[in-house]
Amino acid sequence: QVQLVQSGPEVRKPGASVMVSCKASGYNFPSYGISWIRQAPGQGLEWMGWISGSGNTNHEQKFQGRVTMTTDTSTSTAYMELRSLRSDDTAVYYCARFGMGWFDPWGQGTLVTVSS
Amino acid sequence: EIVLTQSPGSLSLSPGERATLSCRASQSVRFSYLAWYQQKPGQAPRLLIYGASTRATGIPDRFSGSGSGTDFTLTISRLEPEDFAVYYCQQYGSSPSTTFGQGTRLEIK
Repeated sequence: QVQLVQSGPEVRKPGASVMVSCKASGYNFPSYGISWIRQAPGQGLEWMGWISGSGNTNHEQKFQGRVTMTTDTSTSTAYMELRSLRSDDTAVYYCARFGMGWFDPWGQGTLVTVSS
Repeated sequence: EIVLTQSPGSLSLSPGERATLSCRASQSVRFSYLAWYQQKPGQAPRLLIYGASTRATGIPDRFSGSGSGTDFTLTISRLEPEDFAVYYCQQYGSSPSTTFGQGTRLEIK
């Protein structure tokens, strides 16, 4: 079955960087994109950006200059790096497969905590 | 950017009742490119509906979506205990960007 498995929880200090991985299985990885969505504690869903199967990227303007999304097709893994972390970046970060615009399925989520 | 406003913010109903959740867009959503997701505590969201009215694989037929333009509705015909969760709408008509509504919390009465 189609599955996305994300890396484990991370704790970082303000100003540091974090990289979250998302390993896909059960489908032809290059045929779909991967999107990244985050959810702050008790809040709603916030789209961060996506990377297509061919490696093209697009991200929300607020993350300009701080986020990098990449893929490794040899291992069917997507990566999201967020730099210059602030306390308000504390959130659960999800990856999700997308093809036609909707997201299905989602990874289990990775909690990133930013605290001094 | 298309802003999605969901109403009500929370809804208290009993099992067996009908739930009607609304999602209103600040401008017309192209081609009715709207999806609905269900999220239970501690879990990732799950796709329910895409294209405003097409159920995703494995979704029970008590879930239905309707609407076009700026007004969309998710209806759960007869609530089961496992349906109490938070529901989000998402528009993808403004690709490459996309936006989510703020969510509707469906609670057991």
